[in-house]
Amino acid sequence: DQQVKQNSPSLSVQEGRISILNCDYTNSMFDYFLWYKKYPAEGPTFLISISSIKDKNEDGRFTVFLNKSAKHLSLHIVPSQPGDSAVYFCAASVRYGGSQGNLIFGKGTKLSVKP
Amino acid sequence: SQTIHQWPATLVQPVGSPLSLECTVEGTSNPNLYWYRQAAGRGLQLLFYSVGIGQISSEVPQNLSASRPQDRQFILSSKKLLLSDSGFYLCAWSEREKAFFGQGTRLTVV
Repeated sequence: DQQVKQNSPSLSVQEGRISILNCDYTNSMFDYFLWYKKYPAEGPTFLISISSIKDKNEDGRFTVFLNKSAKHLSLHIVPSQPGDSAVYFCAASVRYGGSQGNLIFGKGTKLSVKP
Repeated sequence: SQTIHQWPATLVQPVGSPLSLECTVEGTSNPNLYWYRQAAGRGLQLLFYSVGIGQISSEVPQNLSASRPQDRQFILSSKKLLLSDSGFYLCAWSEREKAFFGQGTRLTVV
């Protein structure tokens, strides 16, 4: 059973437009959500996060929105740039017992930003 | 600042051969350490995590094992590799809710 779902395996956007990447989760115990960016043959790098007590967090061109009632979060990138082309992973923090801090990842969405 | 080192970057191994991937973290003490695998179409799957020396928890049954002989060293091993062990393996450490990843090892079992 997948607890974190990214239903779009790929997304193509024109440079300068907005990119919206979506993520759904099923576990209501999740209280921290993160987005990671991954280039081929490299490890993922942390991009932006949001606590469950907030519904929006913004960092430059990147904004994450959280809708707890819908168990949905999204990452907005505006304006999109060709260098943003990468695989984006959504992750949620599971907090219980000895696995505190473990992250559960979605399958990723490959973003292509075309010049 | 904290850094994480993972090696080798690429590895080609025959079926049935042993495996040892090593990961070390610098600049922090008693970190939580993780091994993830990225297989095609399956995202990042947590394989093992460790909250301290000698403490290993496995998330999925598999052909692999992990060990933590020192505070900042995490090793992923296998006695006999299977074709299905091919993938991109990532070591990570965490500080509170955030995980920081190594550069990964591309393992191809042939």
